Amino acid sequence: DARVTQTPRHKVTEMGQEVTMRCQPILGHNTVFWYRQTMMQGLELLAYFRNRAPLDDSGMPKDRFSAEMPDATLATLKIQPSEPRDSAVYFCASGLTGGNQPQHFGDGTRLSIL
Amino acid sequence: GNSVTQMEGPVTLSEEAFLTINCTYTATGYPSLFWYVQYPGEGLQLLLKATKADDKGSNKGFEATYRKETTSFHLEKGSVQVSDSAVYFCALSPPVGGNQFYFGTGTSLTVIP
Repeated sequence: DARVTQTPRHKVTEMGQEVTMRCQPILGHNTVFWYRQTMMQGLELLAYFRNRAPLDDSGMPKDRFSAEMPDATLATLKIQPSEPRDSAVYFCASGLTGGNQPQHFGDGTRLSIL
Repeated sequence: GNSVTQMEGPVTLSEEAFLTINCTYTATGYPSLFWYVQYPGEGLQLLLKATKADDKGSNKGFEATYRKETTSFHLEKGSVQVSDSAVYFCALSPPVGGNQFYFGTGTSLTVIP
């Protein structure tokens, strides 16, 4: 089965460092989503793309977070500078346009900011 | 607007017990409805879906029926196993747009032998 691939799976770094998370969506999918999951807030949508164009990033702290799709096979989420409150699991999901199409999730990047 | 309300957890059941996890939704138009399952350390996996009223989605012994009149999509399983222990998310996708989903808060299920 085709899968969404996320790297790294785990990341531990110190406050103030830049963090880059990568996602390879399923080949042929034209929508990509970034989510953050914490115990307190649950699953939050940070940003999403359709055909590599950003459609909505209103869930993302603009001053430190950025999301891009340099090409159809790569999506990136960057945090600069990172803060301890950014510690969470970050998920990427991909899918096809259409209300009846499911999203397919990667296994996430578990991020710890010390 | 669009939203999903899920039954509060955690839920603890004995093996072979009957499971129901309630999910109700608010939506504009006729959304598609989904159940996802998340095992520890993993991402969300699609469990089942229904795309129109009265549709029944089913997979791995789980079922859910799209009830437009009660705006509900309750998840059921007749006999749970220890391996069903996970967090379950209900979600809706509006009929138009870029495939953005609206997720419930998740319900944690623990099945004890």
